[in-house]
Amino acid sequence: GENVEQHPSTLSVQEGDSAVIKCTYSDSASNYFPWYKQELGKRPQLIIDIRSNVGEKKDQRIAVTLNKTAKHFSLHITETQPEDSAVYFCAAWEAGGSEKLVFGKGTKLTVNP
Amino acid sequence: DTEVTQTPKHLVMGMTNKKSLKCEQHMGHRAMYWYKQKAKKPPELMFVYSYEKLSINESVPSRFSPECPNSSLLNLHLHALQPEDSALYLCASSQARGAGQYFGPGTRLTVT
Repeated sequence: GENVEQHPSTLSVQEGDSAVIKCTYSDSASNYFPWYKQELGKRPQLIIDIRSNVGEKKDQRIAVTLNKTAKHFSLHITETQPEDSAVYFCAAWEAGGSEKLVFGKGTKLTVNP
Repeated sequence: DTEVTQTPKHLVMGMTNKKSLKCEQHMGHRAMYWYKQKAKKPPELMFVYSYEKLSINESVPSRFSPECPNSSLLNLHLHALQPEDSALYLCASSQARGAGQYFGPGTRLTVT
């Protein structure tokens, strides 16, 4: 089955800096990669996603890149703000097997004012 | 309406109780999910319904019993739970399997 590795587990940046979170996946059949932001005590919120036929997608300050050959995808946040502080989860849709989302272990991002 | 709603927000139950968690979405999504989330961990899939039929049961103990009465509603019936079942229970829905999943706010369950 699919396995998703996420790094780093914690990330601390200064306000205004960029943050990058990286994930690798194992199943080459996986074709959909969402990112979720979860603030303390709140629901996971879908913030951006990418399909395997696209290499990059942007939405304002956030972007996701996908390298199918290397089987890795990354979340980029520019001009970070304190409200970006949260746990971020990457996930991969296991298309060929049980057809479910497989999550990474999460990255706790802290943006220091 | 672009939200998934869940009730109750909090639930405390004894090991002999029977209770139900409820989830509702009005986005016309045809796939609905139950996840369990422990502190500092990712959501862990329990059940998937697709077009109101159970399509995935991730080997969940029978003390958890899902039900999908119609395309907008999803229930999780709880019976004879254990303290280790205490967690945040999240419902999610998506337009179809393999599309973006939208989570409800969750039910914080404590089993005493």
